Amino acid sequence: TQLLEQSPQFLSIQEGENLTVYCNSSSVFSSLQWYRQEPGEGPVLLVTVVTGGEVKKLKRLTFQFGDARKDSSLHITAAQPGDTGLYLCAAFGGGNNRKLIWGLGTSLAVNP
Amino acid sequence: GAGVSQSPSNKVTEKGKDVELRCDPISGHTALYWYRQRLGQGLEFLIYFQGNSAPDKSGLPSDRFSAERTGESVSTLTIQRTQQEDSAVYLCASSLGAAPTQYFGPGTRLTVL
Repeated sequence: TQLLEQSPQFLSIQEGENLTVYCNSSSVFSSLQWYRQEPGEGPVLLVTVVTGGEVKKLKRLTFQFGDARKDSSLHITAAQPGDTGLYLCAAFGGGNNRKLIWGLGTSLAVNP
Repeated sequence: GAGVSQSPSNKVTEKGKDVELRCDPISGHTALYWYRQRLGQGLEFLIYFQGNSAPDKSGLPSDRFSAERTGESVSTLTIQRTQQEDSAVYLCASSLGAAPTQYFGPGTRLTVL
């Protein structure tokens, strides 16, 4: 069974702080995605990473895919209250498998 | 344009009753997915429709669950004889063909008393 483990499960920080959340697996994935989900809404795709070692930046968010394509990290610089939400990683197993495997998420609260 | 819509947004039902959840995907999206998200847990894949191909039903947890899709439009997820463990948010997503980007609806929160 392919599993994605996310850490930490919960994170509460003050506005302006930096943070990193992790998504780890013992399996190799063809690509990995990060989503953010707010209460009462569905997840919204932030980024897809496909190449080992790839780094993508989205404003204050930096996403990295591990060299072996088994893990990923999301770093937020100078967090804002608007960054509050549930951050989920998900991955396709590869080939024609269109089923996404999901982590349990990191619940982030950024306090003003 | 309009995103994925789901109805109802909330559904409270009694154990043993049947429920039907609806998903309207983004127009032109040939792929449609149903997921279940229990409190404190990640998303659990239920079923995947792609065009006229046979759906991938491998995630349906029991024969009480079924789903249909009319062409490339509306899909309904039916849960028969609901149980308390069926309580969850049911999310629908659509994508353009095999594209990796899935667009999610707001979900239906199902509570089985």
